[in-house]
Amino acid sequence: DQQVKQNSPSLSVQEGRISILNCDYTNSMFDYFLWYKKYPAEGPTFLISISSIKDKNEDGRFTVFLNKSAKHLSLHIVPSQPGDSAVYFCAANYAGKSTFGDGTTLTVKP
Amino acid sequence: DVKVTQSSRYLVKRTGEKVFLECVQDMDHENMFWYRQDPGLGLRLIYFSYDVKMKEKGDIPEGYSVSREKKERFSLILESASTNQTSMYLCASSLLQGVYEQYFGPGTRLTVT
Repeated sequence: DQQVKQNSPSLSVQEGRISILNCDYTNSMFDYFLWYKKYPAEGPTFLISISSIKDKNEDGRFTVFLNKSAKHLSLHIVPSQPGDSAVYFCAANYAGKSTFGDGTTLTVKP
Repeated sequence: DVKVTQSSRYLVKRTGEKVFLECVQDMDHENMFWYRQDPGLGLRLIYFSYDVKMKEKGDIPEGYSVSREKKERFSLILESASTNQTSMYLCASSLLQGVYEQYFGPGTRLTVT
């Protein structure tokens, strides 16, 4: 039973446009959510996070939105750049452990 | 910058061999984690440790064990490697319990033949 799901395996957007990556979760005990980015042959790197007491967190071009009633979070990248092309994982935390989604491969076309 | 290093980038072992994967972090982090990454399954937690000589099972501990004798080092052991343990193995660390951001190593691609 997968508690964190990223239903889109891949996403392709044009440079300069908005990228929206989605993540759904089932466990209402999750209290902290994170997004990681992974380039080929490297480990994931932390991108942005949000506490369950907030509904939005912004860091430069990256914004994470949390809808607790829908158990849904999303990552917005505006404007998208070719260097953003990577695999994006969402993660949900409870009791010190992270549960990861499958990842979404984002391709930003010049 | 936090650095997490893993002993090998690529490893090929035979079925039944004992395999050691080592991970070292250089920022005095309390917590360390071992994950495996498989296509379509994301990152799955194998074991984690909040302190020296302390370990806890993650979601898929079967067939694995761990050792943490020093704070900076966390080893994953496959007692008798099997082909279904062919995977990418990722080590991570985080500063304190309750501090959730994790720092990952580059990964070890293990192939068991």
